[in-house]
Amino acid sequence: GENVEQHPSTLSVQEGDSAVIKCTYSDSASNYFPWYKQELGKRPQLIIDIRSNVGEKKDQRIAVTLNKTAKHFSLHITETQPEDSAVYFCAANSGGSNYKLTFGKGTLLTVNP
Amino acid sequence: DTAVSQTPKYLVTQMGNDKSIKCEQNLGHDTMYWYKQDSKKFLKIMFSYNNKELIINETVPNRFSPKSPDKAHLNLHINSLELGDSAVYFCASSQGPSFEQYFGPGTRLTVT
Repeated sequence: GENVEQHPSTLSVQEGDSAVIKCTYSDSASNYFPWYKQELGKRPQLIIDIRSNVGEKKDQRIAVTLNKTAKHFSLHITETQPEDSAVYFCAANSGGSNYKLTFGKGTLLTVNP
Repeated sequence: DTAVSQTPKYLVTQMGNDKSIKCEQNLGHDTMYWYKQDSKKFLKIMFSYNNKELIINETVPNRFSPKSPDKAHLNLHINSLELGDSAVYFCASSQGPSFEQYFGPGTRLTVT
């Protein structure tokens, strides 16, 4: 089955700096890679996703890159703000069983004002 | 106009009891899921249903039994609760396997 590794587990940055979170996956048939943000006590919410036919996707201060050959994808947040503080999860679907999303273990991002 | 709702929000119960969590989505999605998030924040899928049919059962103990009376509802019944069942349980739905999943607010289950 799919295995998703996520690093780092915690990340602390100063407001205005950039933050990068990296994930690797094991199933070469995976073709959908979403990123979810979970604020303390709240539900996970999708912030950006990328499909395997695209190498990069950007939405304002957030971007995701995908390297299918190396089986890794990354989340980039620029000009971080205190409200970006949350746990971020990467995920990948399973090629053989597309109804399953395997999540990484999460990255606690703290943006210090 | 809540998209995915769950009840109850909090559930405190004793070991050995049986409890249920209800989930409803009004997004018209065909696929619904149950996730367990433990104290370390790991999000692990438990079940996935598509059009009321069980698609995924991820090595969950038989004490957990999902039921989907219709496409808009996916309930979770747990028998003989154990301390290790304490967690936040999230329901989610999506229009298909590789589309955004919309999560409910979560049910915090505490077993004492």
